[in-house]
Amino acid sequence: SQQGEEDPQALSIQEGENATMNCSYKTSINNLQWYRQNSGRGLVHLILIRSNEREKHSGRLRVTLDTSKKSSSLLITASRAADTASYFCATVPRGTGGFKTIFGAGTRLFVKA
Amino acid sequence: GAVVSQHPSRVICKSGTSVKIECRSLDFQATTMFWYRQFPKQSLMLMATSNEGSKATYEQGVEKDKFLINHASLTLSTLTVTSAHPEDSSFYICSARDGGRSTDLQYFGAGTRLSVL
Repeated sequence: SQQGEEDPQALSIQEGENATMNCSYKTSINNLQWYRQNSGRGLVHLILIRSNEREKHSGRLRVTLDTSKKSSSLLITASRAADTASYFCATVPRGTGGFKTIFGAGTRLFVKA
Repeated sequence: GAVVSQHPSRVICKSGTSVKIECRSLDFQATTMFWYRQFPKQSLMLMATSNEGSKATYEQGVEKDKFLINHASLTLSTLTVTSAHPEDSSFYICSARDGGRSTDLQYFGAGTRLSVL
């Protein structure tokens, strides 16, 4: 069953702009992860944020986590055409053994050159 | 980094035939592997969790007799779609957890696109 809901479902921006994607989830979690998927390909892990962390950075990526609101956001700064992909949040709910990962619906990002 | 190899990347078969998809961890021991299905423009849906040497745990609504999972070694899990039908056409992705490391990370295969005619 899916746990995460993401918005927007689709996002189209110009190269150089920032892209923000949001994710909400329903149950308590151990951690939340963001993945990228290029069309018809496998998943690439971007970043993991633990339930006791509020913000994390990796290069042009910034992830926030608000456990009180059960939500997370992924910010991609200075976007590039190569960032065009689908982005999924994924949570590891508590009480599932610590490793069962549930994916959100995803945001399809299109960066125009 | 950890690599998961999934084979084949694409398969086209006739309705009624069975298809086997392999998922291998190349440089680590995968005590747990996961199988997901993804329909076009949709998210990944967890089908089953596979632990080495034991029966797979299937998610609600997934037919275990339809989707046979075998995890006979620490580096190989297979998913067999039995008597495939056109509605089974989908993108199947496996992932593996490194049993030798204390991590929540899963490593994903590149996926298998199944088309049933």
